This record gives sequence, C-alpha cells and structure tokens, in this order.
Amino acid sequence: GAGVSQSPRYKVAKRGQDVALRCDPISGHVSLFWYQQALGQGPEFLTYFQNEAQLDKSGLPSDRFFAERPEGSVSTLKIQRTQQEDSAVYLCASSPREGNTEAFFGQGTRLTVV
Amino acid sequence: GNSVTQMEGPVTLSEEAFLTINCTYTATGYPSLFWYVQYPGEGLQLLLKATKADDKGSNKGFEATYRKETTSFHLEKGSVQVSDSAVYFCALRPIYNQGGKLIFGQGTELSVKP
Repeated sequence: GAGVSQSPRYKVAKRGQDVALRCDPISGHVSLFWYQQALGQGPEFLTYFQNEAQLDKSGLPSDRFFAERPEGSVSTLKIQRTQQEDSAVYLCASSPREGNTEAFFGQGTRLTVV
Repeated sequence: GNSVTQMEGPVTLSEEAFLTINCTYTATGYPSLFWYVQYPGEGLQLLLKATKADDKGSNKGFEATYRKETTSFHLEKGSVQVSDSAVYFCALRPIYNQGGKLIFGQGTELSVKP
C-alpha cells in the first residue's frame, strides 16, 4: 500500500478482555516501531523490530503487552487482560532501514477500555 | 536520560501571525532532532529535521535551527495559515540508539483563526 495501515481504527474492549492490533507497514520497510500515545501526550516508544527480529522491547509497560512480526512485514500488538490505563492511541511506524532514516506513521488505533 | 520539553498549548493565532513553538531537549552527545505534525484525523507526518548542530531544517515555510549551546530546536513560521492548525511534536533520536526510535515531547496544539 501507499502508507502504513493500521486496523482496527477504533477498538472498545471490556476490562479483562484481550485485544490484537494490526500494523501493515510500507512494503519493503525493514524497521517497524510501536508507540503508545495517551490523551494529550506525545507518543511513547513501546518496541522495535528489524525484519522479524524484535531488537528492543524496553518500552513495553508490562508482560501483558506482546508484539510479533513473524514474517518481517505485518506486525501485531497484543494486549492481554486489558485495563483502563491501557486506553490510548497505538501508533505503528515503519522506515526503510535502521538508523537515522525517516519513520512513516500510520493513523493509529484508538483503544478504549471500559 | 533523553527527554524533550515543549511549550504548552493550545496556541491560538490569527492568520498571518508569526509562530514560535519552543522545544528544548536533554540528551547525550548530538541527537538528531525532528518536528512532526499531526493534522486532525491523520497520522504523524515529518515536518522537518536537523541532524547536527547549527543545521536548519525547513519545509512548508516552517524552520527550526539546531542550537547545541541552548539545547533547543524552536519551530518558527513567519505567517501562519488556517491550514496550519494541527498538533506539533518535537522529537529527538538519540545518537546511541538501536534502530532509530524517537523520543517525543508532549505536543503543542496550534489553532489559527481566519
């Protein structure tokens, strides 16, 4: 596709429910990032993939958060046993290679936990 | 650690007014610096960047100069338009950084009135 695509755009989950958020990066992009953006705040880094390898997961807030990119393209961010504090916009970004290159962002998935 | 601080919003200006959005950072060495813009309903877009001290990034009439001595990267535009209404994020990419993750400020909302 022309840009980074995320689905669903909106997700409402009941507390305790598991959710899965999908990211389709720009074709051929090596690097993929997930960020969490709370209301009124800037995005905060969650995790980074280079191809299928998850090289940095230092930003994942708890072991309820899990991300994968098994074939080096599409990525899924999974949140288990969602809690109200997980409510945020989850952004995915990709870039053509690692290092100091431009990152292209998707529109995000707005997760609301009720 | 690495951090970015932006002036709080919202900033409300009349069309053709001069814009400054302040951004200061804390980082080791010489990080790369960025301004991203988020228009309503859209994803984050790179507006401009600078990768070393005294570099000036510019795009769409916006400018920002990398000032190492004041650890600042203030965004300026000489004459804003209604279409510039958006949220602006200052960000840095640490020099000792695997993959290229970004550290964002909290964002500054700009509203331009006709």
